Amino acid sequence: DAGVTQSPTHLIKTRGQQVTLRCSPKSGHDTVSWYQQALGQGPQFIFQYYEEEERQRGNFPDRFSGHQFPNYSSELNVNALLLGDSALYLCASSSFDRTYEQYFGPGTRLTVT
Amino acid sequence: QQQVKQSPQSLIVQKGGISIINCAYENTAFDYFPWYQQFPGKGPALLIAIRPDVSEKKEGRFTISFNKSAKQFSLHIMDSQPGDSATYFCAASSGGSYIPTFGRGTSLIVHP
Repeated sequence: DAGVTQSPTHLIKTRGQQVTLRCSPKSGHDTVSWYQQALGQGPQFIFQYYEEEERQRGNFPDRFSGHQFPNYSSELNVNALLLGDSALYLCASSSFDRTYEQYFGPGTRLTVT
Repeated sequence: QQQVKQSPQSLIVQKGGISIINCAYENTAFDYFPWYQQFPGKGPALLIAIRPDVSEKKEGRFTISFNKSAKQFSLHIMDSQPGDSATYFCAASSGGSYIPTFGRGTSLIVHP
């Protein structure tokens, strides 16, 4: 049973560029949440997708956007990258009736130079 | 405003000892309290969780103690092993969204 997968593993971008991160949820899960984890900090919630719609959003600017596909996979897009966007980006999946049980992927390490 | 405060920031324990990590929360609407374990280069993994209707939950060597009146909860790792060396995060969430608010993490090192 495949768990949550994310791609790419690492990414280096230049300030001002745009980036797209991808996530495939655990088999049987239909809800995907994205988190940003800065070095030495706990994950911070960005947004959650269910039925291809953004259901909830954390305190992140509109430069952060996302998408969920019919197969439940998801993308996180960040525009106009800032140095402060450097972090580990985590995807977590769950089933809608048990959203409290979130399973995290290994993350994508984004470095903005 | 940090809604979940976690301590200590780092912890060093000898093999076989007890590791204790504490968390305190402010929002009384929180009703689900999970603990996550994160190894370097990996995402957090759900370790154990508790709801406020019980004061303690035990799974193997891991125990959560919960004090609703004090708005505090803690993780106890009995017979700590070097393989337990990781970063531990407490979190809290409320019904409806169950979006977890995480503590800042505790780096645990268990010496052989």
